Amino acid sequence: QVQLKESGPGLVQPSQTLSLTCTVSGFSLTSNSVHWVRQPPGKGLEWVGAIWSGGSTDYNSALKSRLSISRDTSKSQVFLKMNSLQTEDTAIYFCNKAFAYWGQGTLVTVSS
Amino acid sequence: DIQMTQSPSSLPASLGDRVTITCRASQDIGNYLRWFQQKPGKSPRLMIYGATNLAAGVPSRFSGSRSGSDYSLTISSLESEDMADYYCLQSKESPNTFGAGTKLELK
Repeated sequence: QVQLKESGPGLVQPSQTLSLTCTVSGFSLTSNSVHWVRQPPGKGLEWVGAIWSGGSTDYNSALKSRLSISRDTSKSQVFLKMNSLQTEDTAIYFCNKAFAYWGQGTLVTVSS
Repeated sequence: DIQMTQSPSSLPASLGDRVTITCRASQDIGNYLRWFQQKPGKSPRLMIYGATNLAAGVPSRFSGSRSGSDYSLTISSLESEDMADYYCLQSKESPNTFGAGTKLELK
């Protein structure tokens, strides 16, 4: 069955780089898109970006200068890298398969 | 970027009520509109896709509709398990954009 699981550091210092991994199973990355969505504590959902089946990417306009999404199809993994992190980037980060299947999310706290 | 204006932000309702949540798109998005339900501490759950199509496993009391640039999610008879936050999402263009959310709570 389709599964996605996010993993990452949990705590990141301000101005540092966030690296998250979404490990998927039950489907092929070369045939499906994977999106990242984040949610600050107590707030709404924000679309972060996506990697499409062909490998192209799209990003949130406000984040695109700091954001990179890539993948390793052989490992069934999608990667999110965001630099120059600030406290406002504190959020639960979710990955999902075309919005139909979601991971459990991983909390990222930006703090010194 | 396409803006999605969602209303109301909070909706007190009683069990058995018929409730409607609306999103208005700032540009044409066709039927590229999804609705999600999110309960505390949980991941979002897809409820409606293509503006009017019920996702797998979603109870038939949920429905989606469109009138011009206004998109609605309706629950025909509210049940206790429906108390949650609801979000719309447009995926017509990148960047995709969510509405600000509606908190559905018991009156």
